[in-house]
Amino acid sequence: QVHLVQSGPEVKTPGASVKVSCKVSRYSLTALTIHWVRQAPGIGLEWMGGFDPEHDKIIYAQKFQGRLSVTEDTSADTAYMEMSRLRSEDTAVYYCATASDVCRRGVCRYYFDYWGQGTLVAVSS
Amino acid sequence: DIQMTQSPSSLSASVGDRVTITCRASQDISNYLAWFQQTPGKAPKSLIYSASNLQTGVPSRFSGSGSGTDFTLTISSLQPEDFSTYYCQQFYSFPWTFGQGTKVDI
Repeated sequence: QVHLVQSGPEVKTPGASVKVSCKVSRYSLTALTIHWVRQAPGIGLEWMGGFDPEHDKIIYAQKFQGRLSVTEDTSADTAYMEMSRLRSEDTAVYYCATASDVCRRGVCRYYFDYWGQGTLVAVSS
Repeated sequence: DIQMTQSPSSLSASVGDRVTITCRASQDISNYLAWFQQTPGKAPKSLIYSASNLQTGVPSRFSGSGSGTDFTLTISSLQPEDFSTYYCQQFYSFPWTFGQGTKVDI
């Protein structure tokens, strides 16, 4: 079973950047597809972005385009989510999650299975 | 974007009750629908994928059904550890979107 361990909580001022890590164990990162989801206080879940194997590229939710960067260091089996120009509305718990495929007639789609424990990012002046 | 709407937003139930939560997609998503369970302060836990397939280790009292735009999550006999918030999510197309959640409490 895949185990994901995220970096610790962060406190940032508006306009700053934050980088959250997601360390994979018991599997190689190269065998996994990682996505990021966030949850603002008292609010539901929001998909942010991740790797799209069908098009071999990182894909982002439009609202984060230009501010979000999802990267991987396969030598360290670690995925990263970096968000710039932080605002107070970005205060949330950020989760990494693996996505497995289900394929039908040559088309594959990906569903979440394993989740990291979450990283609280607080943005406040 | 595909909108996911859950009902009810919350419900009260007792141990042993049969509980059903519905999720409606704003367009046909075939069976590309997942369900998650979340307790306060914890990460979501994946329960079901492709509308009706249980994730490894999920108790058989959980079941899912549906296709197209209408889906249900059923807990056949509610246990104390099941009092949580449940979310549906479509993975038919990007951006992946979640329902607003259904809180199940006593």
